[in-house]
Amino acid sequence: DQQVKQNSPSLSVQEGRISILNCDYTNSMFDYFLWYKKYPAEGPTFLISISSIKDKNEDGRFTVFLNKSAKHLSLHIVPSQPGDSAVYFCAASEDRGSTLGRLYFGRGTQLTVWP
Amino acid sequence: KAGVTQTPRYLIKTRGQQVTLSCSPISGHRSVSWYQQTPGQGLQFLFEYFSETQRNKGNFPGRFSGRQFSNSRSEMNVSTLELGDSALYLCASSHYTANTEAFFGQGTRLTVV
Repeated sequence: DQQVKQNSPSLSVQEGRISILNCDYTNSMFDYFLWYKKYPAEGPTFLISISSIKDKNEDGRFTVFLNKSAKHLSLHIVPSQPGDSAVYFCAASEDRGSTLGRLYFGRGTQLTVWP
Repeated sequence: KAGVTQTPRYLIKTRGQQVTLSCSPISGHRSVSWYQQTPGQGLQFLFEYFSETQRNKGNFPGRFSGRQFSNSRSEMNVSTLELGDSALYLCASSHYTANTEAFFGQGTRLTVV
């Protein structure tokens, strides 16, 4: 049962434009969300996170938005660059009190940024 | 600051054999988690260790086991390998706190033939 879903397996965006990657979740106990970028044959690289007490977090070109009522989050990349081309994973965790605990991952979205 | 180090990077084993993978977390990180990535199932949680104790466990058979040492380094073991165990195995380390990011190593690519 996939508790974190990324319904778009791929996204193609022109350089300089905005990339919007979407993620939906079903578990209302999730309270912390993360986005990772992954290149082939490498481990995921942490990009940005957001706690459920916030609805927006920004770090440079990356902004994550959280809509708890809709159980939806999105990652905005502005402006998009060719180097952003990678697979992007959304992940979520429940409050375990003292450790990060288990991360539930979506299946990923392949972002391609073309010149 | 060195990242998460996993060894070996690549491994080929035969069905029925066992394998041990190693992970050295980022200095200061005491929590280590393991994940399996396959094309069919995506990224699946195996287990999480803190202070040499398993804190969480995913839905994998008992052939998958792990441990953590006093220096926070961790190993995972898969016994009686099956073809379906072929995957990228990823280790992640994080601080001992909730709501923190996990940093991943480059992974060990295991191929079972």
